Amino acid sequence: DAGVIQSPRHEVTEMGQEVTLRCKPISGHNSLFWYRQTMMRGLELLIYFNNNVPIDDSGMPEDRFSAKMPNASFSTLKIQPSEPRDSAVYFCASSFTLRGPGDTQYFGPGTRLTVL
Amino acid sequence: TQLLEQSPQFLSIQEGENLTVYCNSSSVFSSLQWYRQEPGEGPVLLVTVVTGGEVKKLKRLTFQFGDARKDSSLHITAAQPGDTGLYLCAGGGTSGSRLTFGEGTQLTVNP
Repeated sequence: DAGVIQSPRHEVTEMGQEVTLRCKPISGHNSLFWYRQTMMRGLELLIYFNNNVPIDDSGMPEDRFSAKMPNASFSTLKIQPSEPRDSAVYFCASSFTLRGPGDTQYFGPGTRLTVL
Repeated sequence: TQLLEQSPQFLSIQEGENLTVYCNSSSVFSSLQWYRQEPGEGPVLLVTVVTGGEVKKLKRLTFQFGDARKDSSLHITAAQPGDTGLYLCAGGGTSGSRLTFGEGTQLTVNP
């Protein structure tokens, strides 16, 4: 398996522009997570889906952020409009949730976003 | 809100030295995972512990889950430059697969 695939790997954009990050989870996994990592705040969970349904979006910073999972093999995280403080590395992770402790999350390589 | 505090935040040691990284919380977790992250990559799972008092060994790495399932430690024996990376602990709840991550410990092992 190719693992979790994210695109693009790097994105540089100007303040006010729309940014769309994409993720393809590992085939057969039923949970998908979007994280943001910065030096100041570490790794923060933004939102997670189970069976394509958003379960917890309490980590989404504000209305400028939205995430969708139209099917089991694709998810997007959109920022509109983007701001310089959104600059971070965004990770997508997937897992096979058995509703028990200790599920392993497999992370993608991340998208490094820079908003000028 | 469940929080995990890791210490130290930064650690720079010489090859061959031993070290311990701590992960503490006031909350009880059903599981505790340790991940390692290298520059430009996502975190990769090292180990999962689920039973209070559990100890797991992975070559030169020893992981322990506290008896009360509120804390954990990672001990590395005879550290090598290849151990360099960001070590993250993550606590799991009783339902679903959501994890709460600690801030991380940046380890540098100098040759």
